[in-house]
This record gives sequence, C-alpha cells and structure tokens, in this order.
Amino acid sequence: DTAVSQTPKYLVTQMGNDKSIKCEQNLGHDTMYWYKQDSKKFLKIMFSYNNKELIINETVPNRFSPKSPDKAHLNLHINSLELGDSAVYFCASSQAGADQPQHFGDGTRLSIL
Amino acid sequence: SQKIEQNSEALNIQEGKTATLTCNYTNYSPAYLQWYRQDPGRGPVFLLLIRENEKEKRKERLKVTFDTTLKQSLFHITASQPADSATYLCALDFDTGKLIFGQGTTLQVKP
Repeated sequence: DTAVSQTPKYLVTQMGNDKSIKCEQNLGHDTMYWYKQDSKKFLKIMFSYNNKELIINETVPNRFSPKSPDKAHLNLHINSLELGDSAVYFCASSQAGADQPQHFGDGTRLSIL
Repeated sequence: SQKIEQNSEALNIQEGKTATLTCNYTNYSPAYLQWYRQDPGRGPVFLLLIRENEKEKRKERLKVTFDTTLKQSLFHITASQPADSATYLCALDFDTGKLIFGQGTTLQVKP
C-alpha cells in the first residue's frame, strides 16, 4: 500500500530516445509534483498539477511534458533524451495549500548512455 | 535570486549527543520552512513544518527553530541514534506551494 509509487525505478536508455515515467498516489491528494535531483543532490521542482491542472511550470525544456489523466496520476514524458537529463526524478503529492507537507515517491534513476 | 545554504560537509556525532543542522537563506523570509529526511535510494520524508510567525516547533526528539532576523533555521535531534543517520533537507515556501530545497546535510551518528 505504497502512498506514492513511481515506475520504473531504473531507466537506462540511449541519447535521442523518448521515455515515460509514471506516478500514482493513493493518498487522495489534489496536488502532484515532479522534481529533478541532480548529481549534486539539489532537488528542483519541475512541474506541479492541482486537480489535473498545471499550476507550476519551471524553466524546463519543452522536451519534458507532464500529463495528468486524473488527480491520482501524474506522468512525465521526455522526448529526445540528452546526456544532461541523467538524474533521479521524484514524484510527490500533497493536499492543496502552501503549508502542506509533500509525500515523495522513491524516485526513478534515469541514465542516458 | 533566493539562495539556501546547508552545510555541505557531513556532520559526524556520537550516539546520544544532540545533532544541530543549519539552514541559512538570503533575501526574503519564507512563509513556511520544512525539514525532510532522505535516505540513500529513497525519496525525502517530511519531518516538520514551521511558520514564519513561529519561533520553535517540536516533535518527539526533533526541534526546529526559525529566526527571521538571522535568516536561519536550526534543526536539532536530541539523544541521537545511529538510525538517525541520513541526509536532512530544508525547504522554503514563499506561500506559493513551490518548495525550494537546500542541498542537504548528511548526518552520521556513530555508536
């Protein structure tokens, strides 16, 4: 009964490929997020959705496209993968509101060859 | 732009002692400040949230302080245990729902 689950856990692929990461939460939260954690361990927000609507879109290349089919799911599709996309991607969810703690998945480690 | 600084060097302490981790920030004070714990290969886990108008928050062996004059938050773990060994992240929220994370401080508690 994992609260925030993301698949796959590891993703190894060639430069130029397209890949997707899936995220599901069973906490009944309205808001979901995608973060990128680079090799220096900085965790940076990429996107946030509230009830299937995009509310935060940081300066992320448009090769990254989030999709929220319903409020329990937020997927991340990446086109034309580049070496610099190698990182750990975390999905998170929270109740709506700025003072709410966020619940994270265990990450997807993306390695570009 | 807003900067957050946490000690990049690991903090090594003896079991039973109090661990104190620092989070400094520049420019504006956040409306909320959160602390998370991250273990290797896992996602961050929420620990405590403190509001701009609060000086201190406690939860079991954990204590967080927030000084908007010094632009600093301190995170204390009393009676530390080897199981407390992890990376601790502070995160600021300027009432936008967007968390800005520090790079974290790794704590090692030795038996």
